[in-house]
Amino acid sequence: GENVEQHPSTLSVQEGDSAVIKCTYSDSASNYFPWYKQELGKGPQLIIDIRSNVGEKKDQRIAVTLNKTAKHFSLHITETQPEDSAVYFCAASISFQKLVFGTGTRLLVSP
Amino acid sequence: NAGVTQTPKFQVLKTGQSMTLQCAQDMNHEYMSWYRQDPGMGLRLIHYSVGAGITDQGEVPNGYNVSRSTTEDFPLRLLSAAPSQTSVYFCASSPSDTLRRGEKLFFGSGTQLSVL
Repeated sequence: GENVEQHPSTLSVQEGDSAVIKCTYSDSASNYFPWYKQELGKGPQLIIDIRSNVGEKKDQRIAVTLNKTAKHFSLHITETQPEDSAVYFCAASISFQKLVFGTGTRLLVSP
Repeated sequence: NAGVTQTPKFQVLKTGQSMTLQCAQDMNHEYMSWYRQDPGMGLRLIHYSVGAGITDQGEVPNGYNVSRSTTEDFPLRLLSAAPSQTSVYFCASSPSDTLRRGEKLFFGSGTQLSVL
């Protein structure tokens, strides 16, 4: 089955810096790669996703890149703000019921 | 439109007790699922349903039962609680399970369960 590894487990940056979180997956059949943000006491919320037919997707300060050959994908947050502080999860799958999550990255943005 | 609603938010059980975690969605979603979240392990799928009357097991189904009698509700039952079931439980839903373009998984706010 699918296995997703996520690094780093914690990431501290200064406000305005960029943050990068990386994930690798094992199943070459996976074609859907979402990223979720989880704030304290809340459920995960989708912030961006990418499908295997594209290599990069951007949404304002957030971007995701996918390298299917190497089986890895990354989340890039530019101009970080304190409200970006949260736990971020990557996931990979071919369907929702087979969605496999990474172990999460705790991002701390200091003012 | 409340989205995905989970109750209760917190629960403490004694070993061997049973209980039901409630999940309801008002978006007419076909797909619903239950995850548990443990420190350092991400989210793991317990059970899921692709429609009323249809359920199936996920990665960690042992000790849990589910049923889907209506489109809106997907309760998770702990038959005989064990300390290993101490976790945060999330319910999620989506219009379908086929990842059609634009579809996404909506999560509830979670139930924190402690089994003593």
